[in-house]
Amino acid sequence: DSGVTQTPKHLITATGQRVTLRCSPRSGDLSVYWYQQSLDQGLQFLIQYYNGEERAKGNILERFSAQQFPDLHSELNLSSLELGDSALYFCASSVTGASNQPQHFGDGTRLSIL
Amino acid sequence: GENVGLHLPTLSVQEGDNSIINCAYSNSASDYFIWYKQESGKGPQFIIDIRSNMDKRQGQRVTVLLNKTVKHLSLQIAATQPGDSAVYFCAEGFFGNEKLTFGTGTRLTIIP
Repeated sequence: DSGVTQTPKHLITATGQRVTLRCSPRSGDLSVYWYQQSLDQGLQFLIQYYNGEERAKGNILERFSAQQFPDLHSELNLSSLELGDSALYFCASSVTGASNQPQHFGDGTRLSIL
Repeated sequence: GENVGLHLPTLSVQEGDNSIINCAYSNSASDYFIWYKQESGKGPQFIIDIRSNMDKRQGQRVTVLLNKTVKHLSLQIAATQPGDSAVYFCAEGFFGNEKLTFGTGTRLTIIP
């Protein structure tokens, strides 16, 4: 158990809808990362937060947004969903968010768009 | 596992044998490297890391080797067990860039 909790585990919705994925980092970790993993693209970095503020941005679509709350949990919002958004979404956390620290991953949310 | 793209390298090893998984990284400025294991239906699990000031680091049944000259990283797993079957991937990072870059992964299958 990595200590990172993601909910829900599975989400099925339709095109055009909006969903929110939730992540609670490991106790003591200040930084949260979001990744998308699809069959043909591996792990793609989306966005990173540190102590409530955005730290780095990757290949995140404008339809997607995220935030980190004062209690350090994070939410990833996906809107105007398209079939291609079907994927596993992982959250990871690390102590300070520096690039020379391991990130610890949750077990992901599997999003299926019908 | 979820990382099952058509081009995912595969490696099959007899139970009890040693396995070596290789990774070529792209950025000569990278100074931190990690190996992760991902089992089916689970998130990537941290195995071992190494900084660029080291060539080798050992953990429990695992050893990571770093060759900066040719930008190559390897993970050796000793006395493989069925539970070692998973997708393994490396990640690289460097100071000043907040994110890790992940490789595409290698699927390791342990044959009983």
